[in-house]
Amino acid sequence: LAKTTQPISMDSYEGQEVNITCSHNNIATNDYITWYQQFPSQGPRFIIQGYKTKVTNEVASLFIPADRKSSTLSLPRVSLSDTAVYYCLVVDTGSARQLTFGSGTQLTVLP
Amino acid sequence: DAEITQSPRHKITETGRQVTLACHQTWNHNNMFWYRQDLGHGLRLIHYSYGVQDTNKGEVSDGYSVSRSNTEDLPLTLESAASSQTSVYFCASSESTARSKGVLFFGEGSRLTVL
Repeated sequence: LAKTTQPISMDSYEGQEVNITCSHNNIATNDYITWYQQFPSQGPRFIIQGYKTKVTNEVASLFIPADRKSSTLSLPRVSLSDTAVYYCLVVDTGSARQLTFGSGTQLTVLP
Repeated sequence: DAEITQSPRHKITETGRQVTLACHQTWNHNNMFWYRQDLGHGLRLIHYSYGVQDTNKGEVSDGYSVSRSNTEDLPLTLESAASSQTSVYFCASSESTARSKGVLFFGEGSRLTVL
């Protein structure tokens, strides 16, 4: 069961790029790395997923080094509305028990 | 649009009462999950189902049960509510695991208070 470690909290200012790193030293060959965003009083929302190298969508980029033991979620030019908790998950597609969330990273964007 | 809905959104009950939280999804997803979220614990998996008539225990299943009689619904039952079960409960669904690669779609949550 691949565990993940993320910073508990981060602060940033509007317009800056934010990078949140997740460690997953025990990641297995079949594991995918998935990030979710959660606003207060809402359920988590899928942001991005990757297996290796770099993935980019309209919301974020995900950087995964060759050894896959960590990953970095990059949010370009954050705004106040990006204030949320961000969760990193390592998912083995064969086991729902690995769909467990850690405590996530509380990102606070300041004006 | 397809969606996942939970009801009730808020409920207050008393210790010892049976409570059922409903979860309904219209994506025709095979997989459904129940999580609870408490301050400082992130989301913890209670029960999950890979399809009709299939149910499995998660990491915090004691005191909870689920049943899956159709694809759309996975109700969560607290047989005898305890104060320790005061929490926010989230239901989620996903396509069959190999295709979805773990991408979950969550409901808006049900806040349960046990007095």
